[in-house]
Amino acid sequence: AQSVTQPDIHITVSEGASLELRCNYSYGATPYLFWYVQSPGQGLQLLLKYFSGDTLVQGIKGFEAEFKRSQSSFNLRKPSVHWSDAAEYFCAVGGDDKIIFGKGTRLHILP
Amino acid sequence: DADVTQTPRNRITKTGKRIMLECSQTKGHDRMYWYRQDPGLGLRLIYYSFDVKDINKGEISDGYSVSRQAQAKFSLSLESAIPNQTALYFCATSDSGGGYGYTFGSGTRLTIV
Repeated sequence: AQSVTQPDIHITVSEGASLELRCNYSYGATPYLFWYVQSPGQGLQLLLKYFSGDTLVQGIKGFEAEFKRSQSSFNLRKPSVHWSDAAEYFCAVGGDDKIIFGKGTRLHILP
Repeated sequence: DADVTQTPRNRITKTGKRIMLECSQTKGHDRMYWYRQDPGLGLRLIYYSFDVKDINKGEISDGYSVSRQAQAKFSLSLESAIPNQTALYFCATSDSGGGYGYTFGSGTRLTIV
């Protein structure tokens, strides 16, 4: 069965610190992989995506993610977070027909 | 104008009422999707459509129905609303081939009292 696991419901980091959000998936083939961000009261915005090629992908707002096939993971990273990064982050996986989403990780930023 | 427009943005309605949520898009995408978001549960797929004549159930379609009136319009209906359908509902679109990701609307916050 297809599934997406985001092990951390909440994460708190200090402004300027590095960030890593974890995502593990179960999928029958090499999936398409995505990270979305949702700011309070807003819709979802695509941060980055992977579907082939280089396993380290760059996204908007200084985020990057690395696809590790052997670990079935697609972790999101940012070297230095800003207060404006406080939001909920969703990992998603899928194929040509549909995408399924993880339950999300809410990121809190300490000043 | 937004690429994916959902109406209404907010709605409060009573148990047992019929309600329709509407979604329209200017992206020219073939595929449209309805998700609901509940705190702690992420987004769950209700229905999706690849074209006007192709409608598919998602993981939580019970209690919902949809209509794809045109390539650009995809409506979600609750025939007899119940309180546990209170949620944030999102419409999304994508081009053929899921690798491009989805474009989301701003959501409809629906409260059933």
